[in-house]
Amino acid sequence: DAGITQSPRHKVTETGTPVTLRCHQTENHRYMYWYRQDPGHGLRLIHYSYGVKDTDKGEVSDGYSVSRSKTEDFLLTLESATSSQTSVYFCATGTAIENAEAFFGQGTRLTVV
Amino acid sequence: AQSVTQPDIHITVSEGASLELRCNYSYGATPYLFWYVQSPGQGLQLLLKYFSGDTLVQGIKGFEAEFKRSQSSFNLRKPSVHWSDAAEYFCAVGANAGNMLTFGGGTRLMVKP
Repeated sequence: DAGITQSPRHKVTETGTPVTLRCHQTENHRYMYWYRQDPGHGLRLIHYSYGVKDTDKGEVSDGYSVSRSKTEDFLLTLESATSSQTSVYFCATGTAIENAEAFFGQGTRLTVV
Repeated sequence: AQSVTQPDIHITVSEGASLELRCNYSYGATPYLFWYVQSPGQGLQLLLKYFSGDTLVQGIKGFEAEFKRSQSSFNLRKPSVHWSDAAEYFCAVGANAGNMLTFGGGTRLMVKP
């Protein structure tokens, strides 16, 4: 299995507070992704990174920001958490090899109350 | 933009019966197609992938999938289901290099003894 660690694994936070989720990889993969998983929607891409300091928006980026200062770390920040951001968040990584699959972390369950 | 549809939200099969999970995609070029499985509380594990060549691809755990360009489909099959196959299954299409995936909504498989 690819070495992808997400922290925390579970978090409960209050509406309006900032939250940062961390993804750490030991595979030296170039690409990193943040997805959210909601029933009936599968996984939807929030943001992605194609290198250190290189990031771009995905399908559902509103209310989220990301940063990647090192190859191994990709941070997802909810600036002011809302109840609609209650979800399971997955980090994924991938190489620059075309056709290669993405590798997923174990997920972070975030509840905004 | 690409999209993936999994028409069946839930499927229940008896142990030992055959299984087919449907997946239809929309993509302008030759797609890279994937099936992932997610056990409860876990991350996503790759079952198999297609990007070129033989349209029938074999995966892990006895699964296979057939790419049919004329039908824009990539259905997952298994000849005999085991109780341990109960999980959620996701079909995804990849956008060229970089492993960025667009997922279907998922199909939850339940296995009756």
